[in-house]
Amino acid sequence: AQSVTQLGSHVSVSEGALVLLRCNYSSSVPPYLFWYVQYPNQGLQLLLKYTTGATLVKGINGFEAEFKKSETSFHLTKPSAHMSDAAEYFCAVSGTQGGSEKLVFGKGTKLTVNP
Amino acid sequence: GAVVSQHPSWVICKSGTSVKIECRSLDFQATTMFWYRQFPKQSLMLMATSNEGSKATYEQGVEKDKFLINHASLTLSTLTVTSAHPEDSSFYICSASPWTHLTDTQYFGPGTRLTVL
Repeated sequence: AQSVTQLGSHVSVSEGALVLLRCNYSSSVPPYLFWYVQYPNQGLQLLLKYTTGATLVKGINGFEAEFKKSETSFHLTKPSAHMSDAAEYFCAVSGTQGGSEKLVFGKGTKLTVNP
Repeated sequence: GAVVSQHPSWVICKSGTSVKIECRSLDFQATTMFWYRQFPKQSLMLMATSNEGSKATYEQGVEKDKFLINHASLTLSTLTVTSAHPEDSSFYICSASPWTHLTDTQYFGPGTRLTVL
């Protein structure tokens, strides 16, 4: 079975500061990992994903995440926060489970960016 | 590109009535569509996966007779909540993928908030 834990339901940073959103996963098979962002009243938008290969994955809007198998983590970072980054962020994992595959989401982290 | 719409964005209904939610891929053909349910401050939970022209595959614990899914065309899937009850109140989100592999990119709709009185 797979699961995702996002540490911190709310994260607040100042504009220009480092953004770090934490995600740990549990998977019995090599995972595929995703970060999605949800702006108010909008659908989820894919930020980045890791499938195989390079463990440092770059996404849109300056975000990146690093897959660390030894730590079972896939933390999302951005060097300098912008006001427009304020949103809810979801980490998700997928893999083969019982012959079917599905995305398992974390509970989400709401990012607030202060001026 | 890759826009998915849902209609309605919110709906209030009386207990015992049925509600239909539409999910449309506006600028691509969706081989596969997914329906999720999201409770306040909780994760998105996959309810079912539907492929155009075939029956939906429901996740364990999801009542297929209560949550009817139809994927009649490559751009439209509908979720009908039959005989709705207050415990069905939730945020329902669909996603669509132009490919058949679940780990390929899914494009999400904005969600539909259902309130059952």
